[in-house]
Amino acid sequence: EADIYQTPRYLVIGTGKKITLECSQTMGHDKMYWYQQDPGMELHLIHYSYGVNSTEKGDLSSESTVSRIRTEHFPLTLESARPSHTSQYLCASSVGGDTGELFFGEGSRLTVL
Amino acid sequence: QKEVEQNSGPLSVPEGAIASLNCTYSDRGSQSFFWYRQYSGKSPELIMFIYSNGDKEDGRFTAQLNKASQYVSLLIRDSQPSDSATYLCAVKERAGFQKLVFGTGTRLLVSP
Repeated sequence: EADIYQTPRYLVIGTGKKITLECSQTMGHDKMYWYQQDPGMELHLIHYSYGVNSTEKGDLSSESTVSRIRTEHFPLTLESARPSHTSQYLCASSVGGDTGELFFGEGSRLTVL
Repeated sequence: QKEVEQNSGPLSVPEGAIASLNCTYSDRGSQSFFWYRQYSGKSPELIMFIYSNGDKEDGRFTAQLNKASQYVSLLIRDSQPSDSATYLCAVKERAGFQKLVFGTGTRLLVSP
């Protein structure tokens, strides 16, 4: 079983609030990712990281930001949440190499009122 | 054209039947292909990967790859109601970060 944890699992907040979604993994993986997924829709990569102090924006434009100060920690922040940010956010990590296996956290479901 | 295309379904099969899930991709040079399963309300989990043309079997699952046709499929034999889920096809980018590009997924319903 993968050791990757996300908090909070569910969050309901008002417009304009700042939020941080936490993601931690204990597998020592260098690569980490944030995906956004709406019900019945595909996964969209919004941020990824090669390792400490390395972050990149993904294919889907996002107003969120990320940081990677420690290998195991990859938090995602929204400075001012809006209803359009309502979605499921999935964090993942991988060891790299050829396997391509991503280990996903259980997700954070965000609702912005 | 999307990079990875799947029929969204739902694909309905009776228990015990073979379910066939299909995926096409646009980058002819792609080398690595993956099938993830996602239960409703859960996160995706890897069930198979395939790199070479032909078939790869793992239990009730068989992945098939045809690079000339840019086509990858997943067969599930003796389908069970517990196989009901969305199956995501993913293709690994050749260069750079080599991240996975996911299709929209095919929803499979196996009826008892």
